[in-house]
Amino acid sequence: GEDVEQSLFLSVREGDSSVINCTYTDSSSTYLYWYKQEPGAGLQLLTYIFSNMDMKQDQRLTVLLNKKDKHLSLRIADTQTGDSAIYFCAETSQIFGQGTTLQVKP
Amino acid sequence: DVKVTQSSRYLVKRTGEKVFLECVQDMDHENMFWYRQDPGLGLRLIYFSYDVKMKEKGDIPEGYSVSREKKERFSLILESASTNQTSMYLCASSLLTGSTEAFFGQGTRLTVV
Repeated sequence: GEDVEQSLFLSVREGDSSVINCTYTDSSSTYLYWYKQEPGAGLQLLTYIFSNMDMKQDQRLTVLLNKKDKHLSLRIADTQTGDSAIYFCAETSQIFGQGTTLQVKP
Repeated sequence: DVKVTQSSRYLVKRTGEKVFLECVQDMDHENMFWYRQDPGLGLRLIYFSYDVKMKEKGDIPEGYSVSREKKERFSLILESASTNQTSMYLCASSLLTGSTEAFFGQGTRLTVV
């Protein structure tokens, strides 16, 4: 069935780049999403990419999509302590990965 | 500003109690979802609804039921709460089924003692 996989934890130093990876199984998705969940809060849409694109850049965020390998990544440049959160990759509005906890050390 | 509102941020209930978690959205969305979130397990879909009075089981429906009498409101019911239902519960809505953005409520942290 449909599945989305992510690594559970990533730790980086402030100012470094963070790369969060995701693999998915359903190649028919029109969009792929990244959500951010701050402590004690619900999820909020961070960015998304249309399935016929390879890359999308939005300020400090870069999304890369490799459709052949069904691999999606989120790169955060110049990571800040305020970026500490759980990041979820999603294929649709109901298929989510397990979430990657990003820890940013000062 | 679009909104999904869950009725409580924190709840403490006793084992065996019937528990109602309420969720309201103001975006006229067709679809509504209930998830539970546990460390290391991510979001697991409990139930979803694609229309008034319609419901579909998700991945972990056991011990839960839902009600959608009006389009804007989707309730999650724990018929007889148990300690293994202690979790964070998240409600979401989306305009269409499939590849559309989901909007989330702030979450309800339920503790069953």
